Amino acid sequence: QSALTQPPSASGSPGQSVTISCTGTSSDVGGYNYVSWYQQHPGKAPKLMIYEVSKRPSGVPDRFSGSKSGNTASLTVTGLQAEDEADYYCSSYAGSNNFGVFGTGTKVTVL
Amino acid sequence: QVQLVESGGGVVQPGRSLRLSCAASGFPFGTYGMHWVRQAPGKGLEWVAVIWYDGSDKYYADSVKGRFTISRDNSKNTLYLQMNSLRAEDTAIYYCARCTHAWELRFDYWGLGTQVTVSS
Repeated sequence: QSALTQPPSASGSPGQSVTISCTGTSSDVGGYNYVSWYQQHPGKAPKLMIYEVSKRPSGVPDRFSGSKSGNTASLTVTGLQAEDEADYYCSSYAGSNNFGVFGTGTKVTVL
Repeated sequence: QVQLVESGGGVVQPGRSLRLSCAASGFPFGTYGMHWVRQAPGKGLEWVAVIWYDGSDKYYADSVKGRFTISRDNSKNTLYLQMNSLRAEDTAIYYCARCTHAWELRFDYWGLGTQVTVSS
């Protein structure tokens, strides 16, 4: 069960956009549309931001969007705000053999 | 409102056992899949285990398979994680999280976590 690969860090100025990638294999990200994204502020529990690749839960700003191409999923945050500074993790269903896997995490810094 | 409250964490010696609990309220517990997710100090999230809404199916991460057992008591609205043969690398904050359908990994509510430290 290898973790999905994310860049360690990403940054942008307020109002700019940032995109985070999440690369897996055909056995997880590429094989199912059960990719989710979570935001975690220091010392807090994670918060669901995107599920089923591109769906937004109620209450999540539409500045957050998700997509997938092949074995790579992406989270884009447009109109960056100071409160978006956090760690972000992707996750994917990986079939009945491995079931669930998270990404390595990306620290987003708002400059 | 939906609440998930973990308990049972603490400091334990390597090789010993610990049982975590997650008390659920504010939603029909018996209709949701439930997961355990952990986070080692300064590290990322790691999926640990899942149990179907009725307890009929369970899956584990390779790192805990054969040592950890997930279970639930729907009459008590409580999720459990029995952890045996604990190792230093099991040191982490353990979160419980709910998921409408177990395989979606769509964790819409999380507990605040309980700290487990494995040390001699």
